[in-house]
Amino acid sequence: NAGVTQTPKFRVLKTGQSMTLLCAQDMNHEYMYWYRQDPGMGLRLIHYSVGEGTTAKGEVPDGYNVSRLKKQNFLLGLESAAPSQTSVYFCASSELEGQYNEQFFGPGTRLTVL
Amino acid sequence: GQNIDQPTEMTATEGAIVQINCTYQTSGFNGLFWYQQHAGEAPTFLSYNVLDGLEEKGRFSSFLSRSKGYSYLLLKELQMKDSASYLCAVKDSNYQLIWGAGTKLIIKP
Repeated sequence: NAGVTQTPKFRVLKTGQSMTLLCAQDMNHEYMYWYRQDPGMGLRLIHYSVGEGTTAKGEVPDGYNVSRLKKQNFLLGLESAAPSQTSVYFCASSELEGQYNEQFFGPGTRLTVL
Repeated sequence: GQNIDQPTEMTATEGAIVQINCTYQTSGFNGLFWYQQHAGEAPTFLSYNVLDGLEEKGRFSSFLSRSKGYSYLLLKELQMKDSASYLCAVKDSNYQLIWGAGTKLIIKP
């Protein structure tokens, strides 16, 4: 099993460009999440999904959109990239809601917006 | 607001013991997680506490006091490969994970 995979691994964008980050998981997990990680700050939740066809806003959703058309895939879109979106983006998945619910992370996408 | 505090950086010697503290103030509590993150890599799960007390898993142990809003991760017999960041995260009343900024642990020979 590959677990959680993310593409691309690295990307450089110019301000105003758009892009889509792809996350895929092969563990049949219901829940999927997109986080960003910035130096000196904890992981911050951008959007999440509790199942195929559902999405919900997290802590920092502005400037991002997501889609979960298939259970195994969770896409994060940046419509008009800004330098403030320079960050490392992690996708994660977990089996079900509840107390003990370990999240499994992908390897991350390092995005630079010039 | 919700807040997770942990030291920014700690240094320890190979073979020694180190304790990484985490204090939290969250709206509700549904468990506390510790994750390990090596530089440039994804976080990986280490431990979970929901009841007060100590959970031991090999060289790693995690302690929780809900009344004090406090946890620690104890690493014994430190190895060079333990050099990493250790992330504390609390599940709040909405079952969302609130993350601390992480503690960078440097192991010296």
